[in-house]
Amino acid sequence: QKEVEQNSGPLSVPEGAIASLNCTYSDRGSQSFFWYRQYSGKSPELIMFIYSNGDKEDGRFTAQLNKASQYVSLLIRDSQPSDSATYLCAVIETGANNLFFGTGTRLTVIP
Amino acid sequence: ETGVTQTPRHLVMGMTNKKSLKCEQHLGHNAMYWYKQSAKKPLELMFVYNFKEQTENNSVPSRFSPECPNSSHLFLHLHTLQPEDSALYLCASSQDLTEGNTIYFGEGSWLTVV
Repeated sequence: QKEVEQNSGPLSVPEGAIASLNCTYSDRGSQSFFWYRQYSGKSPELIMFIYSNGDKEDGRFTAQLNKASQYVSLLIRDSQPSDSATYLCAVIETGANNLFFGTGTRLTVIP
Repeated sequence: ETGVTQTPRHLVMGMTNKKSLKCEQHLGHNAMYWYKQSAKKPLELMFVYNFKEQTENNSVPSRFSPECPNSSHLFLHLHTLQPEDSALYLCASSQDLTEGNTIYFGEGSWLTVV
């Protein structure tokens, strides 16, 4: 099984700051990348997807993809306490009909 | 509320019991999945069904037995489980992932084996 790696954290940022979450993947041929948010005791929910190199913005969230470096990140601007959750990076690998997940990064936004 | 519904939400069972987890999706998707989530581990894919045919069995012990009677329903039959099988079991569904779609999870079933 190919690898998707994330820093497990915890990552703590003050309210209003930018939170930066990082993910690397091993399959160079991967084409589709996703960020899920998982609140404690809940199931993962999709918040962003990105397919092309560069940045993709959706409200306070920006996903960044660099296929040459096999790196995908999620920036959360103006972080709020309600953003406190575990963020899971997921990758669809070449020819696979399945998502491979990282272990997740626990984010805490301090009021 | 999601389009993927799982029951029961919580289950406590003994090691000699037989129980089943149920999943139903209302999204018109053709693929359904079982994932296992344990503390400090990545989400582990267990089974994948496409158009109710099993396409992946990720070396899962035979004490877990999936059943997919149609594209909208998925079961996970459990028997003679071990305490280390205690985890959150997540059902998910999707359209074809090779076309840029992604998977959507149900709320999960918390399983405790005593």
